[in-house]
Amino acid sequence: SAVISQKPSRDICQRGTSLTIQCQVDSQVTMMFWYRQQPGQSLTLIATANQGSEATYESGFVIDKFPISRPNLTFSTLTVSNMSPEDSSIYLCSVVKGTGTTDTQYFGPGTRLTVL
Amino acid sequence: RKEVEQDPGPFNVPEGATVAFNCTYSNSASQSFFWYRQDCRKEPKLLMSVYSSGNEDGRFTAQLNRASQYISLLIRDSKLSDSATYLCVVNGGPGNTPLVFGKGTRLSVIA
Repeated sequence: SAVISQKPSRDICQRGTSLTIQCQVDSQVTMMFWYRQQPGQSLTLIATANQGSEATYESGFVIDKFPISRPNLTFSTLTVSNMSPEDSSIYLCSVVKGTGTTDTQYFGPGTRLTVL
Repeated sequence: RKEVEQDPGPFNVPEGATVAFNCTYSNSASQSFFWYRQDCRKEPKLLMSVYSSGNEDGRFTAQLNRASQYISLLIRDSKLSDSATYLCVVNGGPGNTPLVFGKGTRLSVIA
């Protein structure tokens, strides 16, 4: 299994500001992802955080708005830039661990963001 | 068409009841299928993987129909602690492709 921690667990921010969310995993992982879950919605993948190279963003998400760092195999950050109320959401870090045929995806506890 | 569709519920059932959730997916290239459970204000956690032959884990039974692109979850003898949102999840295709989540089906088990 994987133990994932995220900081902060929640925050309330003013529009126009930026927030950086940290994700720490208890073991080295290759695959690391950032998801967003808006109220009443399913999880939406923002990007795949790649170690040693730029993150891979999904359609509708761009690096200028959601810059991601992945300095090593146990840590990543997601920044929500120039925030607006529409960015209010839960942001979840996720990793995949397994042997290829029995991969399991684990999630961090999430960061609950409210933008005023 | 949404990639993974589920009945959002809520399903309100008495303790001891049997309840079934259904899910359809649109990507025929999907190869891995899962049910996740998400409690209120918590992160999703893997409940069980879904195999072509169907699989059972205690009171939970998962079925997959690849031809119909349909997945089901059956919960027998419901407990109060089963109350949660159940997410149908598929991967995007072969290899390490990201998972695609349904919106979830909310279950409330009532005493």
